[in-house]
Amino acid sequence: ETGVTQSPTHLIKTRGQQVTLRCSSQSGHNTVSWYQQALGQGPQFIFQYYREEENGRGNFPPRFSGLQFPNYSSELNVNALELDDSALYLCASRRAGGLTGELFFGEGSRLTVL
Amino acid sequence: KQEVTQIPAALSVPEGENLVLNCSFTDSAIYNLQWFRQDPGKGLTSLLLIQSSQREQTSGRLNASLDKSSGRSTLYIAASQPGDSATYLCAIKANQAGTALIFGKGTTLSVSS
Repeated sequence: ETGVTQSPTHLIKTRGQQVTLRCSSQSGHNTVSWYQQALGQGPQFIFQYYREEENGRGNFPPRFSGLQFPNYSSELNVNALELDDSALYLCASRRAGGLTGELFFGEGSRLTVL
Repeated sequence: KQEVTQIPAALSVPEGENLVLNCSFTDSAIYNLQWFRQDPGKGLTSLLLIQSSQREQTSGRLNASLDKSSGRSTLYIAASQPGDSATYLCAIKANQAGTALIFGKGTTLSVSS
């Protein structure tokens, strides 16, 4: 039990649609990051939020965007869905002031784009 | 650019065997290295975290080692059990304030009874 919960667990969208994925972290985890994991691959870093601002981004286009809220929840939004966006989306959080840098992951949201 | 490689991609062993999973990385300037377990279609469970100043960490039947100079880490699993069957991922964190974990593709372990 990592204390990181994600919703929905599964969803199906069609190409061109928009999707919002949600994540709820433990109290005190003020850093949240999102990862995309395609089938058979390791997770790829999308972006990170710290104190409600994006402070790091991987090699993903602007149609991937996010929000972080004061209650330690966050969202990943993807616009203009493409077939290659089909993947498991993982949310991870880190303790405020945690020196180890250990990340705790949720169970993920499985997105299928048809 | 940091790259993480895990060999082998898949491994099958009989129950009770001791085994080693390998992880190599190209840039030795790391903050920490974390080993994760992933069951099919599930999220990641943190197994062990090794800081850059450490050589190894142990938890139960698991032991992870780190050799920064050679760019290698190993995960040793003693007395394997069918419940150990999963994909094992290693990930590098470049710095404390840093954002991204850089993952390998994982080793899929199957332990037969």
